[in-house]
Amino acid sequence: DSGVTQTPKHLITATGQRVTLRCSPRSGDLSVYWYQQSLDQGLQFLIQYYNGEERAKGNILERFSAQQFPDLHSELNLSSLELGDSALYFCASSVEVVGPEQYFGPGTRLTVT
Amino acid sequence: DQQVKQNSPSLSVQEGRISILNCDYTNSMFDYFLWYKKYPAEGPTFLISISSIKDKNEDGRFTVFLNKSAKHLSLHIVPSQPGDSAVYFCAASGSTLGRLYFGRGTQLTVWP
Repeated sequence: DSGVTQTPKHLITATGQRVTLRCSPRSGDLSVYWYQQSLDQGLQFLIQYYNGEERAKGNILERFSAQQFPDLHSELNLSSLELGDSALYFCASSVEVVGPEQYFGPGTRLTVT
Repeated sequence: DQQVKQNSPSLSVQEGRISILNCDYTNSMFDYFLWYKKYPAEGPTFLISISSIKDKNEDGRFTVFLNKSAKHLSLHIVPSQPGDSAVYFCAASGSTLGRLYFGRGTQLTVWP
């Protein structure tokens, strides 16, 4: 158990809908990262927050957004969902703004039908 | 553009033998390298890391070797055990980069 929690574990929704994925980092970790793992793309970095502020952006679509709250938990919002958004979404956390070791949660499997 | 590459999608090794997983990178800004292990339906688990100021780091059965001039690293598992069967991801980061760049993974199968 990494200490990073993610909810829900599974999510099935229809195209065009909006969902919210939630992540709680390890106790004491200030950085939260979101990654997407799809079958043909491997683990792709989406976005990083550090102590409530956006720190870095990767290949995140404009339809996706995230935030980190004062209690340091983070939410990833995915809207206008498309079939291609079906993937595993992982949250990771680290103590520092620049990890380097990041600890991953169990992931949320999103299926868009 | 894949900046971290794992060219072997799979590796099969007999129990007790050595497993060697390889990884290549292209970005000279990377100065920290990590290996993660992933079981199905679980998140990646941090295994071992190495800074670019070292060329070897050992932790029990796991040793990571770094060859900076070749931009190559490898993970050695000795002796391999059936419980080591998983997907292994190589990842890289830089001192100014928070994010990790991942390879596509190598499926290791250790058979009795």
